[in-house]
Amino acid sequence: EDQVTQSPEALRLQEGESSSLNCSYTVSGLRGLFWYRQDPGKGPEFLFTLYSAGEEKEKERLKATLTKKESFLHITAPKPEDSATYLCAVQAFPQGNLIFGKGTKLSVKP
Amino acid sequence: NAGVTQTPKFQVLKTGQSMTLQCAQDMNHNSMYWYRQDPGMGLRLIYYSASEGTTDKGEVPNGYNVSRLNKREFSLRLESAAPSQTSVYFCSTTGSRVIHTQYFGPGTRLTVL
Repeated sequence: EDQVTQSPEALRLQEGESSSLNCSYTVSGLRGLFWYRQDPGKGPEFLFTLYSAGEEKEKERLKATLTKKESFLHITAPKPEDSATYLCAVQAFPQGNLIFGKGTKLSVKP
Repeated sequence: NAGVTQTPKFQVLKTGQSMTLQCAQDMNHNSMYWYRQDPGMGLRLIYYSASEGTTDKGEVPNGYNVSRLNKREFSLRLESAAPSQTSVYFCSTTGSRVIHTQYFGPGTRLTVL
């Protein structure tokens, strides 16, 4: 069964304290892995799509990486405005629907 | 260019009442989806429409019906609401049949008493 597990469930950081969020997955064949950001009371906002092991993508203070079993979302020198819930999802071959993890709630204190 | 819009934003129903959640997109995307999001459960797919004129069940379809009215609009209907359907409902779209990068609406918060 295709599955996505995110850890930790919640993460509290001080402003400037870098860290990583983990997304572990089991899927019959990976078509793509997606990262979303969700602010309270809003819909998920697309961040990245990763397609194959070894791939990396960056956006401002965020960098997403992918291996054959997991993905990491690295946050460098976070700011309070980075506080949000980060969701990971996978899509299986050939054209499967997205399977979402439960998310990691990130809080960055000034 | 509004992207994906959902109405209403909030709704309170009594058990047994019916209602329809509306979703519209101006992204010219073929595929549309309905999810529900509950605390500790993540996003779960209710129904989807790969293209105009087609609909399919997702992970949790019981108690719901959908209509793909045209390419822009995809509605979700609760015929007889139950407290277990209290949730936040999100509509999303994707323009690719291969890589399903999805774009989400702002959500409808539904409470069933």
